[in-house]
Amino acid sequence: GAVVSQHPSRVICKSGTSVKIECRSLDFQATTMFWYRQFPKKSLMLMATSNEGSKATYEQGVEKDKFLINHASLTLSTLTVTSAHPEDSSFYICSANRDRGNEQYFGPGTRLTVT
Amino acid sequence: RKEVEQDPGPFNVPEGATVAFNCTYSNSASQSFFWYRQDCRKEPKLLMSVYSSGNEDGRFTAQLNRASQYISLLIRDSKLSDSATYLCVVNGAANAGKSTFGDGTTLTVKP
Repeated sequence: GAVVSQHPSRVICKSGTSVKIECRSLDFQATTMFWYRQFPKKSLMLMATSNEGSKATYEQGVEKDKFLINHASLTLSTLTVTSAHPEDSSFYICSANRDRGNEQYFGPGTRLTVT
Repeated sequence: RKEVEQDPGPFNVPEGATVAFNCTYSNSASQSFFWYRQDCRKEPKLLMSVYSSGNEDGRFTAQLNRASQYISLLIRDSKLSDSATYLCVVNGAANAGKSTFGDGTTLTVKP
């Protein structure tokens, strides 16, 4: 069964609004979660590493004020796309490791469309 | 140069064919390696881990060559259901858990 959930699975919003995406580890504690985005026919691009109880680590070129990450508990990380624009439309996926260095478990993804 | 490089394909093969995918990585300190499968508009799912000794799971065989920094995936007796994008994934020692993905290789198996 799924070990990482994401909500919502699909969201359509208007330009200028903010959207929050939740990522939950279902039966394990995840001190670290990862947020990716994926454009059509492209691979996953790591946006940031979400650390429980501390600030997220953002990859080069990713605006931290645009993509707010909060990892308030050992099972929940949230990504908020602030003042969304059409170019933010993408597939956003989170992941978590059960064991450091091992395989990642991915959430089912959130398809964001900004009109 | 990309950290993880894959032949994008697409690979179009008939059912029953054997197909091999290759992947190279640039960070010699990388510690763990995986092949993931991603179906259209779905999240990636782990297919198998890759070890230096090689590992096999049914029709799938993965191989790692650390000296050449090269990973391979062999699929024998291809099925229609094998059609997907296959992602090569590398975890670095300094960033255990932080994965770098290849752009993926698309496979289409035809009847």
